[in-house]
Parts: sequence; C-alpha cells; structure tokens
Amino acid sequence: ETGVTQTPRHLVMGMTNKKSLKCEQHLGHNAMYWYKQSAKKPLELMFVYNFKEQTENNSVPSRFSPECPNSSHLFLHLHTLQPEDSALYLCASRPGRAGGLSSYNEQFFGPGTRLTVL
Amino acid sequence: AQKITQTQPGMFVQEKEAVTLDCTYDTSDQSYGLFWYKQPSSGEMIFLIYQGSYDEQNATEGRYSLNFQKARKSANLVISASQLGDSAMYFCAMNSGYSTLTFGKGTMLLVSP
Repeated sequence: ETGVTQTPRHLVMGMTNKKSLKCEQHLGHNAMYWYKQSAKKPLELMFVYNFKEQTENNSVPSRFSPECPNSSHLFLHLHTLQPEDSALYLCASRPGRAGGLSSYNEQFFGPGTRLTVL
Repeated sequence: AQKITQTQPGMFVQEKEAVTLDCTYDTSDQSYGLFWYKQPSSGEMIFLIYQGSYDEQNATEGRYSLNFQKARKSANLVISASQLGDSAMYFCAMNSGYSTLTFGKGTMLLVSP
C-alpha cells in the first residue's frame, strides 16, 4: 500500500478554470516532487521541495504554481492551462534530502492525477 | 547531463518465461545510481531494484535482477518466470551526486498466458 496519496485521481477542466492537485505522504519524508507524464514522453520533473523549500523548478510555466505548506503536503495550483498540459501528474517523496547515491534515493510515488484540459 | 535510453517500446513474453528489458545510460559522472520502476495501468510508479555504480555484484530482488555492464553503460532488467501481473510499463532511471532522477521513455511489457 502506497504511503503517498493524490487527489483527485481524475480531473477535467476548462482553460479558464483554476484547480489544485493535492499530494500527501505519511512516510515522514522530507523531499517531495511533482512530475508530469505525457503520452510517449519520458517522465518530466517539474518541482522539487526539500524540507518545505523549493530547490528545483525545471523551467515550468507560471500557470503551474506549487505550494508546500509542510513536509507532508504538496499542492500544484493550476490556472489558465492549455490542452497540451493534459497529462498524468505524479507526486513522489523521498527520505531526507533530494538526491544522494544509495537505494535510499528511492522515490515513493503516488497514483497520480489524470488531468484533461478542454 | 544524464540520459537514459530504452530502445524497446514494447515487449511480449509468455507466462513463466524470462524477459530482458534494455536500458543504456550516458553520464560523465563516476558515481551514480540506476533504478528500475514498474508502472501498472493504475498509474502508480513502483520501485523494483537499485544498482550503485560502485557495486561489484549485480543487484537482485526476488524475480528481478539487474544486468549491470559498466563498460557498456547498460543496466538491463531481467524478470525471471514472468507472471500475468508483470504486464506494465517499465522505466529505467538514474541519478548522480545530488541530482534528481532522469527517466527513460519506458518499455511496455505484455505477458500472455
């Protein structure tokens, strides 16, 4: 059973809507990630948070706005999205600081939110 | 920069047979880690196995083993005795230093009865 949950699991929104994706982890991890997975593309890292501080923004458009109020919760606020933003959005967490070379660098993923932008 | 290449978009295997999923990588770092993840249709990414670049022995986890050939920069996943539940997308990934994971495009594995 995954310790990372994501809500909603499915979301359909118009280009003028504002919505938020939520990620919650109950594993005591300190690093959290947002990924975007589009069809036929590698997983794309969007944002990284270490101990609630954003440490990486992978050139993500400003219509995606992350928020990490505490080590257990991560949000992705969405506004004025485009149809090409339709994808599976995955959240992940990891013990300790992001990175480092060991099997403890294993990231635990949530089930994802399937987003469709009309 | 790191790069992961998975050249097999799809693979078919019969139940109980072994299958090898290919992964090659490119990095200029001497120290790095290699990962394999499984993604069933439900969407969740499930960690399978890890190999450190300085590990002398190939990693094994149950029916999964990683065929690590450092000189060839390959890290193939071997699944022995395939099961129907193994049908899924499989992703190879790597990181080095404090970089985050870089993923390949994935291989879809279908296991038939």
